[in-house]
Amino acid sequence: AQSVTQLDSHVSVSEGTPVLLRCNYSSSYSPSLFWYVQHPNKGLQLLLKYTSAATLVKGINGFEAEFKKSETSFHLTKPSAHMSDAAEYFCVVSDRDDYKLSFGAGTTVTVRA
Amino acid sequence: DAGVTQSPTHLIKTRGQQVTLRCSPKSGHDTVSWYQQALGQGPQFIFQYYEEEERQRGNFPDRFSGHQFPNYSSELNVNALLLGDSALYLCASSFGGGAGDTQYFGPGTRLTVL
Repeated sequence: AQSVTQLDSHVSVSEGTPVLLRCNYSSSYSPSLFWYVQHPNKGLQLLLKYTSAATLVKGINGFEAEFKKSETSFHLTKPSAHMSDAAEYFCVVSDRDDYKLSFGAGTTVTVRA
Repeated sequence: DAGVTQSPTHLIKTRGQQVTLRCSPKSGHDTVSWYQQALGQGPQFIFQYYEEEERQRGNFPDRFSGHQFPNYSSELNVNALLLGDSALYLCASSFGGGAGDTQYFGPGTRLTVL
């Protein structure tokens, strides 16, 4: 069975400083891993996806994530936060033999001016 | 390129009623999945439709049912509404019907049950 734990329910950063969102996963098989972002009253937007190619995955808007199998982690980072990054972020896992996406509980990011 | 569209945007119903939500997938996509997102939580998988058949189902009661049409659009039906069914219902589409495929989400339908 697959599952995701997002280690921080809320992260607050100053504009221009780095952002780190932590995610650990559990999967029976080699998983696909995703990060999605949800702005207020909007749908989910794909930031990036890992599928067993390079362990460092680059996404949109300057985000990237590193897959570490030994630590079962898939942390999301951005070197410099922007006010527009304030949103809810979801780490998501999908086993290779499963059609559903399993979401974490989400991390709310606040960006201070 | 049209993304995933959903209708209606908002809906208010009373307990015991029935509701139908609609979804049109992204152009070129043939697979539709439905998710329920309660306030302050991550989305939960309801079911997925591929080739007009329900292929996989999450932990939801039979009150939740769906349909996929030949043009790949889909409907989610919920019968005998409960207060706990109040949530944002998200439709996602993908191409090719494979496991682990990237799913693209619509803006959602906000259902309020009074």
